Amino acid sequence: GENVEQHPSTLSVQEGDSAVIKCTYSDSASNYFPWYKQELGKGPQLIIDIRSNVGEKKDQRIAVTLNKTAKHFSLHITETQPEDSAVYFCAPDTGRRALTFGSGTRLQVQP
Amino acid sequence: GAGVSQTPSNKVTEKGKYVELRCDPISGHTALYWYRQSLGQGPEFLIYFQGTGAADDSGLPNDRFFAVRPEGSVSTLKIQRTERGDSAVYLCASSLGSQETQYFGPGTRLLVL
Repeated sequence: GENVEQHPSTLSVQEGDSAVIKCTYSDSASNYFPWYKQELGKGPQLIIDIRSNVGEKKDQRIAVTLNKTAKHFSLHITETQPEDSAVYFCAPDTGRRALTFGSGTRLQVQP
Repeated sequence: GAGVSQTPSNKVTEKGKYVELRCDPISGHTALYWYRQSLGQGPEFLIYFQGTGAADDSGLPNDRFFAVRPEGSVSTLKIQRTERGDSAVYLCASSLGSQETQYFGPGTRLLVL
């Protein structure tokens, strides 16, 4: 099965700084790479995703980059705001539809 | 529009009891998923329905866990003879079809005493 690792496990940044979270996966058949944000007491919410035929995707302050050769993809958040504070999960998918989530990265944005 | 809803939001039960957790997917979504999330961990896949049938139940931990989706919409996750280790947040997600984005509900927090 898929082995997914996220780094770092916790990340603290000052408001306005950038944050980068990296996800490595083991299954070369993975072809869909989403990032989810989970706030306390809520379910995960998709914030951005990318498919294997694209190397980078950007949506306002959020971007995802993919390196299929090295089997990792990263979440980039620029101009961080306090409301970005949450736990972020990567969940690469092989098309099996059973997402395999990483262990999460707790991002804290200090005002 | 309405998102995925789950009931109850919280459930406290005693060891050995039977519980049912309900999921209402987004209207029109044919695919439905159950995940379990332990404290400080990412969600873990349990079962996936396409329509009324369980397309993949490989994540169910043992035969005490069972899920149904009789009319292809609402789903119920059933846990028999609950154990303290079953305590977790049970998340439901739905998607328009296979290979589509999964949208999650708020979860049911199950505590087994």
